[in-house]
Amino acid sequence: DVKVTQSSRYLVKRTGEKVFLECVQDMDHENMFWYRQDPGLGLRLIYFSYDVKMKEKGDIPEGYSVSREKKERFSLILESASTNQTSMYLCASSTPLQGTGSPLHFGNGTRLTVT
Amino acid sequence: KNEVEQSPQNLTAQEGEFITINCSYSVGISALHWLQQHPGGGIVSLFMLSSGKKKHGRLIATINIQEKHSSLHITASHPRDSAVYICAVFGNQFYFGTGTSLTVIP
Repeated sequence: DVKVTQSSRYLVKRTGEKVFLECVQDMDHENMFWYRQDPGLGLRLIYFSYDVKMKEKGDIPEGYSVSREKKERFSLILESASTNQTSMYLCASSTPLQGTGSPLHFGNGTRLTVT
Repeated sequence: KNEVEQSPQNLTAQEGEFITINCSYSVGISALHWLQQHPGGGIVSLFMLSSGKKKHGRLIATINIQEKHSSLHITASHPRDSAVYICAVFGNQFYFGTGTSLTVIP
């Protein structure tokens, strides 16, 4: 079974802090994604990566950056955390999205609170 | 504008009831996915379909490409089915519905 592991389930940070969210997958998947999930808005794509050192902006990249130095690891960075970044953050991985869109494998999520 | 709309948003059922969750979408797609999210956050993929119908245990998913509509049915519902069910479509990227929160009461 594919395992996608997010480093923290709950995180509380102060406004202005630099925050790192880590995600590791063990199935050698090319694609990795970071989403945030807010009530009434569903899942929104922040960034995705289709290869090591490659990254693409999603729908809401502002205030975030990412790093993918190794294939199995995809990090989301909040350069200067703000209260409007309080959310559930979900990492996902998949094989290449050809044709019908390969199934996404999600981590358990990190609930981030910025005070 | 939401590319994917789900209904109902919330659903409460008695154990044993037949449940239907609907998904309509407005974009061209090559596949539709049904996802399940349990309390605590983790999301699992239930189905991926591009035509017709798929069945897995008590879960059945159907899609009508012409009408841009899909349904997820749960037969003989059980309290352990309580979760948020999310419809996602894939065209050149994934679009997600906002989810249907299902509570099954014993």
